[in-house]
Amino acid sequence: GAVVSQHPSRVICKSGTSVKIECRSLDFQATTMFWYRQFPKQSLMLMATSNEGSKATYEQGVEKDKFLINHASLTLSTLTVTSAHPEDSSFYICSISTANYGYTFGSGTRLTVV
Amino acid sequence: GENVEQHPSTLSVQEGDSAVIKCTYSDSASNYFPWYKQELGKRPQLIIDIRSNVGEKKDQRIAVTLNKTAKHFSLHITETQPEDSAVYFCAASIYGNNRLAFGKGNQVVVIP
Repeated sequence: GAVVSQHPSRVICKSGTSVKIECRSLDFQATTMFWYRQFPKQSLMLMATSNEGSKATYEQGVEKDKFLINHASLTLSTLTVTSAHPEDSSFYICSISTANYGYTFGSGTRLTVV
Repeated sequence: GENVEQHPSTLSVQEGDSAVIKCTYSDSASNYFPWYKQELGKRPQLIIDIRSNVGEKKDQRIAVTLNKTAKHFSLHITETQPEDSAVYFCAASIYGNNRLAFGKGNQVVVIP
């Protein structure tokens, strides 16, 4: 099936700094990638849809200036959490959708802001 | 947009018994219904999915049923084992639309 690699798996950063998370589609050219956030004991909430070569589409309530998404190639999308605060601590997961394999998720990034 | 409700939130079963999780969806246009298993700190793993052109699908101990009229679908796990303990999420989308709406999840605990 499709393989999605996400890096880093864990990151701890200081409040006010920025963190970049990478999502790579290893064997599929993904024009679209999705970014989810999952707080402890909660469901996955779609944050934004990343579109290759164009602007991302953000869900209602998600600040586009805080969560910067760049999808510069068909295999790489990045999510940058800018000026991170403790309330941004969460599990961030990317995914792609393919006709043959449905939705495939990355391994997730555990962000802790101290 | 699509709204997916999932019940119950927590389910405890004795090893060997069956577990059933039910989900309802709101958008009659949805035609793709996957189920994911998520272990603590890990990515969701697709365990089974169903499209709206069939009413039931089975894969070994796991089955999913779909009632399009009532707009609900259920996950059935038979002969449960301790390794089935995890959080299970249902989801719904219009296949090819790419927008996947998740239920809130169900914590399944299999008691040895």
